[in-house]
Amino acid sequence: ELVLTQSPGALSLSPGDRATLSCGASETISNTFVAWYQQKAGQPPRLLMSGTSNRATGIPDRFSGSGSGTDFTLIISRLEPDDFAVYFCQHYGGPQFTFGPGTRVD
Amino acid sequence: QVQLVQSGAEVKKPGASVKISCKASGYPFSDYFLHWLRQAPGQGLEWMGTVNCRNNRTTYTQRFQDRVTMTVDTSTNTVSMELNGLTSDDTAVYYCARDVKSQLLLFCFDPWGQGTRVTVSS
Repeated sequence: ELVLTQSPGALSLSPGDRATLSCGASETISNTFVAWYQQKAGQPPRLLMSGTSNRATGIPDRFSGSGSGTDFTLIISRLEPDDFAVYFCQHYGGPQFTFGPGTRVD
Repeated sequence: QVQLVQSGAEVKKPGASVKISCKASGYPFSDYFLHWLRQAPGQGLEWMGTVNCRNNRTTYTQRFQDRVTMTVDTSTNTVSMELNGLTSDDTAVYYCARDVKSQLLLFCFDPWGQGTRVTVSS
C-alpha cells in the first residue's frame, strides 16, 4: 500500500517568505498523478496542482510544483496572507488513491 | 463558473439517517463523476464513494457499502448521498467533489462543495 509522507509537519513563516513543502512516496509513482490541495480552516480543500506541476484554474503562478519518482515539492515563492493554510499532496489515478497527512503553513 | 452547492448542516440522533444534496452548475453535469468524501474533526479526508452522473452507476468504498446510497437527479443537476445507521463516529463534514476530467474517473477532485456538517448526538 502506497504511503505519502509530508515534511515538515508545520512551517512557521512570514508574508513574503518562500515556502518549500515536500511530499514523499513509499514507492515510485508516476508524476502524472500527483496533486496538491490547499485547505483553510472551515473551508473545503482547493485543488492547486495536478500532474505534479499543472496549476488548476485560477491558481496564481507563485505556486509551483515539481518532482518525480518518490519526491515531490510544492513551492510558494512569496507567501501572501491568504496562503497560510494546510497543504495536502495526493496520489490519484485509481480507487487506491491516497492523501498525505498535510503540512501546516502558519 | 463551476460550482457545487451543498445542503445545510444536520443534527441527527444515533441510528438515524441523513441525506445531503449537492447541486452542480457551470458545466455539463452528465460528463463528470461526482464523489463524496468526509472529514471528521481534526482528521484527514475519507473517500466514501462516487457516482457516474451519466448512467447513475455508483461505487462505494467497502466501509460504507452497506449503509450509503448515492443518487443522481439529472433534471436538477443534483447528486444526493444518504447515510444510514448513524453513530457518533459519523460526526464529520461531508463534501461532494467533482472529478477533475470529463468522462474519466481519476479520483482527483475539483471543485469541492462548501461542505455539510453532520453532528450525531443523543
